[in-house]
Amino acid sequence: AQSVAQPEDQVNVAEGNPLTVKCTYSVSGNPYLFWYVQYPNRGLQFLLKYITGDNLVKGSYGFEAEFNKSQTSFHLKKPSALVSDSALYFCAVREDYNQGGKLIFGQGTELSVKP
Amino acid sequence: ETGVTQTPRHLVMGMTNKKSLKCEQHLGHNAMYWYKQSAKKPLELMFVYSLEERVENNSVPSRFSPECPNSSHLFLHLHTLQPEDSALYLCASSPSEGYNEQFFGPGTRLTVL
Repeated sequence: AQSVAQPEDQVNVAEGNPLTVKCTYSVSGNPYLFWYVQYPNRGLQFLLKYITGDNLVKGSYGFEAEFNKSQTSFHLKKPSALVSDSALYFCAVREDYNQGGKLIFGQGTELSVKP
Repeated sequence: ETGVTQTPRHLVMGMTNKKSLKCEQHLGHNAMYWYKQSAKKPLELMFVYSLEERVENNSVPSRFSPECPNSSHLFLHLHTLQPEDSALYLCASSPSEGYNEQFFGPGTRLTVL
């Protein structure tokens, strides 16, 4: 069965420092991986996805993620964090080209960026 | 926010009430989803509709009843809910084929008294 794990409930970073939000996955086929961000009282916003090709994926707001097949990981990164990046981040996986486009989400990681 | 709208944004209801949540997407997608997001829990996928047919029902109690009259609209009918059903209910849409991301609405914050 497909699953996604975000091992950290919370990540604290000082503004201007690099940030990493971790995600590992488990699938039996090819993984299709996504990152979303959720600001308070809002829906989820898409940041980036990995389907195939280059292992380093660039997305919105300066975020990027690195797909590592051997470690089954898809960590979200940003070289220099902003206070406005503080939000809840979700990793998600889709296993196959399946009907309906079902995604499996991780439990979320709360990112706090302090000035 | 993203071409997916949800109404109402906030809803307070008693356990004996009947209410409906509405979702509308203006993106030309043909798959739509209902999720439940409770505090300190991951998103729970409730229902998936693809081409107006329900393709997934994740063991959701019958007090939640979805309806998809066309590819642009999705409803969640609620009746005799329990306080533990209080949560943020999110609607999303996407193309049903390919490896496309889902687009989410802002959610309905539901409180059951």
